[in-house]
Amino acid sequence: EVHLLESGGGLVQPGGSLRLSCATSGFTFNSCAMSWVRQAPGKGLEWVSTISGSGGPTYYVDSVKGRFTISRDNSKNTLYLQMNSLRADDTALYFCAKDSLYSGFDSLDSWGQGTLVTVSS
Amino acid sequence: DIQMTQSPSSLSASVGDRVTITCRASQSIHTYLNWYQQKPGKAPKFLIYAASSLQSGVPSRFSGSGSGTHFTLTITGLQPEDFATYYCQHSYTTLMYTFGQGTKLEIK
Repeated sequence: EVHLLESGGGLVQPGGSLRLSCATSGFTFNSCAMSWVRQAPGKGLEWVSTISGSGGPTYYVDSVKGRFTISRDNSKNTLYLQMNSLRADDTALYFCAKDSLYSGFDSLDSWGQGTLVTVSS
Repeated sequence: DIQMTQSPSSLSASVGDRVTITCRASQSIHTYLNWYQQKPGKAPKFLIYAASSLQSGVPSRFSGSGSGTHFTLTITGLQPEDFATYYCQHSYTTLMYTFGQGTKLEIK
């Protein structure tokens, strides 16, 4: 069974940094792209970033480019999101999600329960 | 960037009803369209891929259709556990996704 467990969220001041982690089990981690998706309080889902299984290509939503860095440690089956220069509008519940190919179509088929990031002074 | 627009933003229905949610893409995404269900306080659940293919374990009362820029999610015979928020998401651009703003399905 696939398990994804996020950690590292918390309260941080504007301009500060946080590093989120997502520990995984139950699947071949290095074969799967992984993503971060966030949800601001009372709002919808927003895709943040994706990293390929090899850790090579990475992709970001425009609003976090240059501030967030996605990475992974395939030896530890763990996904990371380094968040710098945090702003109030980064406040959200951050989910990690596993990418899978279904007949050639990418989908986010497994999700963690999320870790809450609050950016406030 | 491809924008995804869902309608309606909210919808009231009764158990047993048939409901349809629409998702439109700002450009053709062929059938690179997924649907997710999210209940309050929970992680999203993957329902449908490739616009119309049900993920394993998803009840057959859920169905998806469409291609190009216009897609629909239909639930036939609403059950109490179906009241949730539904999101479409495109996967047309490799490993870069956009979600629709969501449709909240509420009990009438």
